[in-house]
Amino acid sequence: GAGVSQSPRYKVTKRGQDVALRCDPISGHVSLYWYRQALGQGPEFLTYFNYEAQQDKSGLPNDRFSAERPEGSISTLTIQRTEQRDSAMYRCASSLSPGSYNSPLHFGNGTRLTVT
Amino acid sequence: TQLLEQSPQFLSIQEGENLTVYCNSSSVFSSLQWYRQEPGEGPVLLVTVVTGGEVKKLKRLTFQFGDARKDSSLHITAAQPGDTGLYLCAGAGGSGGSNYKLTFGKGTLLTVNP
Repeated sequence: GAGVSQSPRYKVTKRGQDVALRCDPISGHVSLYWYRQALGQGPEFLTYFNYEAQQDKSGLPNDRFSAERPEGSISTLTIQRTEQRDSAMYRCASSLSPGSYNSPLHFGNGTRLTVT
Repeated sequence: TQLLEQSPQFLSIQEGENLTVYCNSSSVFSSLQWYRQEPGEGPVLLVTVVTGGEVKKLKRLTFQFGDARKDSSLHITAAQPGDTGLYLCAGAGGSGGSNYKLTFGKGTLLTVNP
């Protein structure tokens, strides 16, 4: 009964470096979401997949951010040329089927990214 | 842009007291969810409300969705230290929104002192 697993748990990187954050959703969950949560704030939508298809990337802040889910399971969020303002908790969530209100989201414990 | 305002931002009470937290918006939502988040963990869904005027109860927690589906409240009766956490409301759908994309409020940080 594993939940959503994210790695690494913590990532400290220097400004200008690229980082890759991994999400392993609950087995069988069709939909996968990436959110970003600043300290003391609620999560903010980044992007959404159904199976391997990226359905919505409207929340990605700029073109340094990208995400993929090539086999419809594990997803990677990549941030290129990191900047200090990218520092935040990055959370992944999955749901059994598309549409949040009839298929609850299960959130992972997140990756805390610090850019120095 | 859909926004959700939560109040109060912080709440510190004694065990046994009752409390209500609010989630308000100028936008209509198809559904609204309440989550609780504990330190170091992700948000955990408590309830989803979808019908205007709907009231749902979960033990000592009572959730209400406004008639116009723009606001919601969470009432906790006889709070316990285990209720401590960040309470987040999140809306989906409605005025130009998508059912899969949740708009979260900033949360109410509740501390229940023994």
